[in-house]
Amino acid sequence: ETGVTQSPTHLIKTRGQQVTLRCSSQSGHNTVSWYQQALGQGPQFIFQYYREEENGRGNFPPRFSGLQFPNYSSELNVNALELDDSALYLCASSSGTEETQYFGPGTRLLVL
Amino acid sequence: AQKVTQAQTEISVVEKEDVTLDCVYETRDTTYYLFWYKQPPSGELVFLIRRNSFDEQNEISGRYSWNFQKSTSSFNFTITASQVVDSAVYFCALSEASGSNFGNEKLTFGTGTRLTIIP
Repeated sequence: ETGVTQSPTHLIKTRGQQVTLRCSSQSGHNTVSWYQQALGQGPQFIFQYYREEENGRGNFPPRFSGLQFPNYSSELNVNALELDDSALYLCASSSGTEETQYFGPGTRLLVL
Repeated sequence: AQKVTQAQTEISVVEKEDVTLDCVYETRDTTYYLFWYKQPPSGELVFLIRRNSFDEQNEISGRYSWNFQKSTSSFNFTITASQVVDSAVYFCALSEASGSNFGNEKLTFGTGTRLTIIP
């Protein structure tokens, strides 16, 4: 286990709704990244937060937004859900001193 | 733009056979990092290796080995004497190198290779 937890594990929403996904970082990690993994695809980088500030963003529309809290936990918010938003959402935390970031088990989102 | 290609979508081998997973990458960066991750059915990505573009030495870790060839932009992964526990989806990934972002790199992943080891 990596020490990174995500909630909920599964979620079903309907098109047009809003969703919030949560990530608890490994202790001592000040950076969190979010990835979207569609079925049968590799993860795609959404954005990264470092010490509560956005530190880079991938090719995702503004309806994907995030927050990082003082305890370095994080949220991913998606507004106006579309069917294509159905995916596994992975968060990864890192300290900047180790050779890798550590991934959580993901939240599987289904949009109907 | 960076791109990672894993042409093998699925591979099945019988237990104890050797298997090689291919990874070809594209980048305009002169310095970059390459990674391999394993994704078991539980979903989390498990880190296997990180390689700096300056270091073309091949790496061996137990039954795992990696062959990095900059001339062909490839970073292939071989499992020797495969075991059922090796069954998973394997991803190759690429990132630009930034000294201030060690371990925080924004990764570009390939589409993965699903490996099934048949008992």
